[in-house]
Amino acid sequence: EADIYQTPRYLVIGTGKKITLECSQTMGHDKMYWYQQDPGMELHLIHYSYGVNSTEKGDLSSESTVSRIRTEHFPLTLESARPSHTSQYLCASSEGGRDIQYFGAGTRLSVL
Amino acid sequence: AQKVTQAQTEISVVEKEDVTLDCVYETRDTTYYLFWYKQPPSGELVFLIRRNSFDEQNEISGRYSWNFQKSTSSFNFTITASQVVDSAVYFCALKAQGGSEKLVFGKGTKLTVNP
Repeated sequence: EADIYQTPRYLVIGTGKKITLECSQTMGHDKMYWYQQDPGMELHLIHYSYGVNSTEKGDLSSESTVSRIRTEHFPLTLESARPSHTSQYLCASSEGGRDIQYFGAGTRLSVL
Repeated sequence: AQKVTQAQTEISVVEKEDVTLDCVYETRDTTYYLFWYKQPPSGELVFLIRRNSFDEQNEISGRYSWNFQKSTSSFNFTITASQVVDSAVYFCALKAQGGSEKLVFGKGTKLTVNP
């Protein structure tokens, strides 16, 4: 069973606010990922990290930014939230070499 | 380019029926991995299975079984004697060896098991 935690689970916020979605894992995994999933749709990779101080953009263009200062922590930040950012955001991590990604419970974001 | 197609958008069955979820993939890579994940209504993705491209053995785990056929680029998932708790969205995913870290997901199949 994976130990990866996301907070908050649900967030309703007004346009223009700055928000940070938290993601932490206790498995010591080097690789971490952020996916965006609209209702009833597939997941799209928006950011990933190979390890501390490493961040890369995924396939889906996103106005969010990420940081990786500690192995266990991979927060995602939106500087100015907009209604188009309304979605579910899923964080995942994987152990190098095994390619199995373990997911958190997700954050459902609604921007009004 | 890599692509995963799950043609069945929604399936509804009655408890104890067997059900097969289809997954067809496209990739030019010779080494790749295939995955199935379950997403219950609570939202998290639960890992079910990983299969590499060199291992075409079918796998059975309890009521779950997987049929991997490279000749047809398919990796189908069967649930035997379905239960209400199996109700979820099931995603098939593909990752090529090396290079991009991207897991390419299908659009998912929503399975509803009715009592």
